[in-house]
Parts: sequence; C-alpha cells; structure tokens
Amino acid sequence: KNQVEQSPQSLIILEGKNCTLQCNYTVSPFSNLRWYKQDTGRGPVSLTIMTFSENTKSNGRYTATLDADTKQSSLHITASQLSDSASYICVVSRLSGGSYIPTFGRGTSLIVHP
Amino acid sequence: DAGVIQSPRHEVTEMGQEVTLRCKPISGHNSLFWYRQTMMRGLELLIYFNNNVPIDDSGMPEDRFSAKMPNASFSTLKIQPSEPRDSAVYFCASSNLPPSQQFFGPGTRLTVL
Repeated sequence: KNQVEQSPQSLIILEGKNCTLQCNYTVSPFSNLRWYKQDTGRGPVSLTIMTFSENTKSNGRYTATLDADTKQSSLHITASQLSDSASYICVVSRLSGGSYIPTFGRGTSLIVHP
Repeated sequence: DAGVIQSPRHEVTEMGQEVTLRCKPISGHNSLFWYRQTMMRGLELLIYFNNNVPIDDSGMPEDRFSAKMPNASFSTLKIQPSEPRDSAVYFCASSNLPPSQQFFGPGTRLTVL
C-alpha cells in the first residue's frame, strides 16, 4: 500500500533553534518527493522537490535530504523564525499509467515561540 | 499573474443542497488538480486533469462528486446532494505537466449543516 508517514505530528521550538522533520514512505514506483509548507488558512507552497538521484536540496534555511534506499526523507530548518510556524507536508509521487499520482503525509505542525 | 483563483472562499449550505466550487488555474498551466483537506484525513487528491481531460478520478469519494473542465481556464467541482461529512477545505492547484511544481489556490471552506 502506498503510504507516507510523517513525524513528529507536532513540534514546538524556540525561535533561533534548529529542527528536523521526518518522512517515511512506501510509495512505489518512486518518482519524486516534495516538501510543502502550509500556513494556516492558505494553500500549500512547495519548498523542495527531489528525484531518485538527489540526496540533498536546499532552499534558504530549509534543507531536505532523501535516502531512496531506506525510503526516508528529512526536512531540516536552520535558525527558525516565527514565520516558520506552519504545517509541513511530505508528498511522494509515483508514476502510474503515464500519470504522476501524489500520496500525501498528514503533515507536521510546527510552532515557533519567541 | 494572480495565481490560482477559487470561489467562493467560504460556503455554508444545508444537507441535500447542491454545491459548486469554481477554479481558475494559472494561465498557461496544462494540469489542474482538486484536493480536499480535513483534520482527520489531511490532504486528499480527488481528481486531476491534463489538457482539460480527466486523467485520474480515483480519489473522488462517490457519485455525488463530479468535476468538469470545459476549457483551459475554468474548472468546477460539484457535490450533489451535499452531506455534513463533505465539510472540508477544497483546494484547486495547477501546474505544467507533472511533476512540475503545483501552485495551490487559497481554498474554499465548505460547511454542510
């Protein structure tokens, strides 16, 4: 069964601290993995996309890693800011019948306190 | 570009009524997606179109849900009849041919009483 599991479900950190969010998946055949940030009351916004051959990708203070062998990904946030408070969603897509079918994780809710 | 436009932003209706959600994708994008998001189930893909043609509708919950894309600049998601369990935020997203980045609209918050 194609599934994406994220941990932790929620996380509270102090401003300026680093944190790491986890994503494990069983989606097959793997096509790509995206991390989205969703602010409250808004639609998700893509942070990074990684394909099978990519191990690390950065977008500012956000760094995503991918281990295709163990089917794990992480999103590391450096020097957190109050504006990082949001839900972070891991999405893994598979190629099926010529179409890319996404499977969504439930997300990690991050709260950054001053 | 204004991004993906959805209307209405909020909809409150009574059980049994027909609900129509609307989406205008980003100009030039050839793929359009409809999603539903709830606290219990997270984000779920309902259906997606490529060049106005439905490609995968396996996520549509049941026959009460239908989606159309009559042209490249407009799509609708219809629920008839609506039920309280349909209450959710419905997002529309568009992109160039997948796996290009999807751009999400602001969502329609639907409440069925």
